[in-house]
Amino acid sequence: QKEVEQDPGPLSVPEGAIVSLNCTYSNSAFQYFMWYRQYSRKGPELLMYTYSSGNKEDGRFTAQVDKSSKYISLFIRDSQPSDSATYLCAMLKQAGTALIFGKGTTLSVSS
Amino acid sequence: DVKVTQSSRYLVKRTGEKVFLECVQDMDHENMFWYRQDPGLGLRLIYFSYDVKMKEKGDIPEGYSVSREKKERFSLILESASTNQTSMYLCASRPGVSGNTIYFGEGSWLTVV
Repeated sequence: QKEVEQDPGPLSVPEGAIVSLNCTYSNSAFQYFMWYRQYSRKGPELLMYTYSSGNKEDGRFTAQVDKSSKYISLFIRDSQPSDSATYLCAMLKQAGTALIFGKGTTLSVSS
Repeated sequence: DVKVTQSSRYLVKRTGEKVFLECVQDMDHENMFWYRQDPGLGLRLIYFSYDVKMKEKGDIPEGYSVSREKKERFSLILESASTNQTSMYLCASRPGVSGNTIYFGEGSWLTVV
């Protein structure tokens, strides 16, 4: 079993939809969780960062961590065509160690 | 804002050539990384460095070497480029021992013909 699993999609939604992106992981030692957004032919940019369990909100984006289920989610409200990108989850066991990435989910938002 | 600059965005090289990919960060970060990204395979760590002149192998170091002579600069070297090294290469940096997020450059697209 891979340490981090992420459905590659593609996921296509109409503008204004609520989008849910998810990752599961197998190692309960992960404590830090991140979401990166990557536009075509660009480097990933950090979108959200959470530590341990709980929710974190930033504008239209909400990151959710459920450590008991080993499951993390990124919700995008009122999705826009500019949200069309690949979303990568990433996680870390402790500060200073290697970041483990999911393979990314490609999202397309149509106007 | 953290800035990680990869000087070459698009390169085309011939099989057997020696290739240098340069990366510079301006935030005095201790840690720097080189990844390659391929469709269906995601991001794979090639090498990382946690200090000047220090380096550690990642998951796929074969065919690559690195150099870190100055804190801000981390170079990836393909000793003898092969077609299976055609890929997008991403440099990243991270603050010292307490750092937990990494910051990526824009990527270098390398085609080996």
